Amino acid sequence: DIQMTQSPSSLSASAGDRVTMTCRSSQTISNYLNWYQQRPGTAPKLLIYAASSLQSGVPSRFSGSGSGTDFTLTITSLQPEDFATYYCQQSYSTPHTFGQGTKVEIK
Amino acid sequence: QVQLQESGPGLVKPSETLSLTCTVFGGSISRYYWSWIRQPPGKGLDWIGNIYNSGSTKYNPSLKSRVTISVDTSKNQFSLKLTSLTAADTAVYYCARVSVGQCPNGVCYTAFDPWGQGTLVTVSS
Repeated sequence: DIQMTQSPSSLSASAGDRVTMTCRSSQTISNYLNWYQQRPGTAPKLLIYAASSLQSGVPSRFSGSGSGTDFTLTITSLQPEDFATYYCQQSYSTPHTFGQGTKVEIK
Repeated sequence: QVQLQESGPGLVKPSETLSLTCTVFGGSISRYYWSWIRQPPGKGLDWIGNIYNSGSTKYNPSLKSRVTISVDTSKNQFSLKLTSLTAADTAVYYCARVSVGQCPNGVCYTAFDPWGQGTLVTVSS
């Protein structure tokens, strides 16, 4: 199985901040990497697919980058609704695996 | 647009079998691939398996001996059966559509979108 490791596990930030989180895969996955946002008590929502493609309807303050084994999700100008947990997921091979999540909390 | 809704029991006894159904609204189930994913309380996401529009399936090896995913096209539903339950199977269970993009070199870009709202299943006597 491909292991996905996210860092940090949590971070504190203020509205308006720029936030960056990373995801590392245990083997190369090209750009077969998705990012999801999960607000408390709700289902995950797809934000970014293929490492850097923005899902329709997702605000442009979200962006993704990376290839191979190292990936980044960036949120520019954090909004109140962005306080949530973010998960990366590899779609290169089965079993499809997720990172353990990065929780973005209010400072 | 496509919407999904899970249904099934909220409480199941240890050693019994869990049966969940996902109803698809706003689109034909035959056109797409579908997935089950679960999330233990306070923990991360675990992929359970996929069913493809050919009827073929792929399961997480960690659950493979206990899992069956099937489709009922007449009801626009797909289902999950998980046998020999233990407390470790307590989780929110989500169904999701597998969105498929381009397939360079035979490996397709896929993502889970959209998701159902999820249903909490507790395994307890």
